[in-house]
Amino acid sequence: TQLLEQSPQFLSIQEGENLTVYCNSSSVFSSLQWYRQEPGEGPVLLVTVVTGGEVKKLKRLTFQFGDARKDSSLHITAAQPGDTGLYLCAGVRTSGTYKYIFGTGTRLKVLA
Amino acid sequence: EAQVTQNPRYLITVTGKKLTVTCSQNMNHEYMSWYRQDPGLGLRQIYYSMNVEVTDKGDVPEGYKVSRKEKRNFPLILESPSPNQTSLYFCASTPNSVQMNTEAFFGQGTRLTVV
Repeated sequence: TQLLEQSPQFLSIQEGENLTVYCNSSSVFSSLQWYRQEPGEGPVLLVTVVTGGEVKKLKRLTFQFGDARKDSSLHITAAQPGDTGLYLCAGVRTSGTYKYIFGTGTRLKVLA
Repeated sequence: EAQVTQNPRYLITVTGKKLTVTCSQNMNHEYMSWYRQDPGLGLRQIYYSMNVEVTDKGDVPEGYKVSRKEKRNFPLILESPSPNQTSLYFCASTPNSVQMNTEAFFGQGTRLTVV
């Protein structure tokens, strides 16, 4: 089974700090998505990156897709308590069987 | 409102008692799938369906069954639940199995406990 490894698994930081979450795999993906999940809810899509080396910004969140399309990172600038949640990366594979491969998750807590 | 609806949200059952978790989407999506979420393991795909009457195993299909008789519904069936199936389950749907940038829409989850 292909896995996407995320690091760190847990992260607790103070409001205003910056952080980076990593998502790594040995496999190439057609695209990579980042989701955020809050307690009692299903994951909700934040962004999709498609091209190797692509960088997308969503307010204080910056997403990057690795050049080889095997890894990705999520950087949050000046974290706020509202950023607290579980962040999941998902590799999308469209060759052969179409499916999403989800990462192991990073649980972020931002303290006020 | 476009949504994926799972029922029930919470379920406690005993070992061996058959149960069904329902999933329905109102977005006319072709692709639907079931995941289980366990601490440290992320979301693991149980079964998926690319269209009506087309289903296939995901990464952890043992102990589960699904059916896709109509486009909007994709129930998950546990014929003889066991304690190792205690988990948080999510149903998801996607518009089209071909588009790479397609977002997966998730239900709110079903927390299942098997005692």
